[in-house]
Amino acid sequence: QQQVKQSPQSLIVQKGGISIINCAYENTAFDYFPWYQQFPGKGPALLIAIRPDVSEKKEGRFTISFNKSAKQFSLHIMDSQPGDSATYFCAASTRTGGSYIPTFGRGTSLIVHP
Amino acid sequence: KAGVTQTPRYLIKTRGQQVTLSCSPISGHRSVSWYQQTPGQGLQFLFEYFSETQRNKGNFPGRFSGRQFSNSRSEMNVSTLELGDSALYLCASSLEPGLAREQFFGPGTRLTVL
Repeated sequence: QQQVKQSPQSLIVQKGGISIINCAYENTAFDYFPWYQQFPGKGPALLIAIRPDVSEKKEGRFTISFNKSAKQFSLHIMDSQPGDSATYFCAASTRTGGSYIPTFGRGTSLIVHP
Repeated sequence: KAGVTQTPRYLIKTRGQQVTLSCSPISGHRSVSWYQQTPGQGLQFLFEYFSETQRNKGNFPGRFSGRQFSNSRSEMNVSTLELGDSALYLCASSLEPGLAREQFFGPGTRLTVL
């Protein structure tokens, strides 16, 4: 059972364009929604995260949009740059025994052409 | 400040063998989590340790085990290896459990089972 569905699997964008990655979840107990960026040969790095009490969070060129009623959230990368080429993972988590245990989406491979 | 260190970076084993992977967290971090990353299943939570105690465990068979030492270093062990255990095994550390935003991943150990 895939609790967090991520799309698209791959994305090609021109430099300066907007990259949009979508995720949908099923478990309404999830209360923390992070996005991770992973470069080849590296571990994932937390990019930006949101809690369900806000509908949007922006950090630089990265924005999370959150729709609680639809159980969907998305990552927007504005003015995409070749250096943004990486795999992006959404995740959803709930507090379990005092810890946040994430359930990850399958990932989106983003390629930004110069 | 040094990041999360994982050793070895690459490992090749044959079916039926066992393997031990090591993780050294960021200095001062006391919580260590392990994840398995495969093309088919994506990123999946294995277990979490804090103060030498396992706090949470993911949905993996008992062949997967781990431990944490008093200096917060952690090891995970996989016994009776199967072909499907081929994966990138990631370790992440944080100061304490529940600090999702403060969790940092290592580069991973690439395990290949032949």
